[in-house]
Amino acid sequence: KNQVEQSPQSLIILEGKNCTLQCNYTVSPFSNLRWYKQDTGRGPVSLTIMTFSENTKSNGRYTATLDADTKQSSLHITASQLSDSASYICVVTGLSFGAGTTVTVRA
Amino acid sequence: DAEITQSPRHKITETGRQVTLACHQTWNHNNMFWYRQDLGHGLRLIHYSYGVHDTNKGEVSDGYSVSRSNTEDLPLTLESAASSQTSVYFCASSDRTSGSAYNEQFFGPGTRLTVL
Repeated sequence: KNQVEQSPQSLIILEGKNCTLQCNYTVSPFSNLRWYKQDTGRGPVSLTIMTFSENTKSNGRYTATLDADTKQSSLHITASQLSDSASYICVVTGLSFGAGTTVTVRA
Repeated sequence: DAEITQSPRHKITETGRQVTLACHQTWNHNNMFWYRQDLGHGLRLIHYSYGVHDTNKGEVSDGYSVSRSNTEDLPLTLESAASSQTSVYFCASSDRTSGSAYNEQFFGPGTRLTVL
């Protein structure tokens, strides 16, 4: 069964600090891995996408990495801001969704 | 600007009633999807469509149906609403590449459905 596991389930960080979210998957065949950001009460919005041949992709203060050999991805948030408070969802090959990591940034 | 809308945004209904949630997109996307989101489960795929008259079941399709009569709309029907179907429902659309869902999905604002 295709699975996407995200960790941690939730985390709290202070404004200005960095954090890293993890995504492990067993989806096969693999096409791409996308990270979405979902603000409370809204639909998810794409942050980054990586294909098999890419191992890092940045979008502002968000940097995603992919290790296709170990089937792991991470999303690093640099210098967090209050607006980064959201759920971050890992999606593999379009339709396999992780449960998300809820990030709370506190002043 | 192109967009994807859902209606209603909030709905309260009773067990056993038929409910239809609307989804309308102006992106002219071929692919459309319905998900439900519950605490602890993330987004789970209910049904999806790769084009007009095409529909496919997702992992949690029991009790739900869809039909695609045009490119812009994919209504989701709960034939006989159950309390277990209380959830937040998201519609999404994406452009077609090789008939797959691999492209970025654009999500609607969601519909919060409560079944009493």
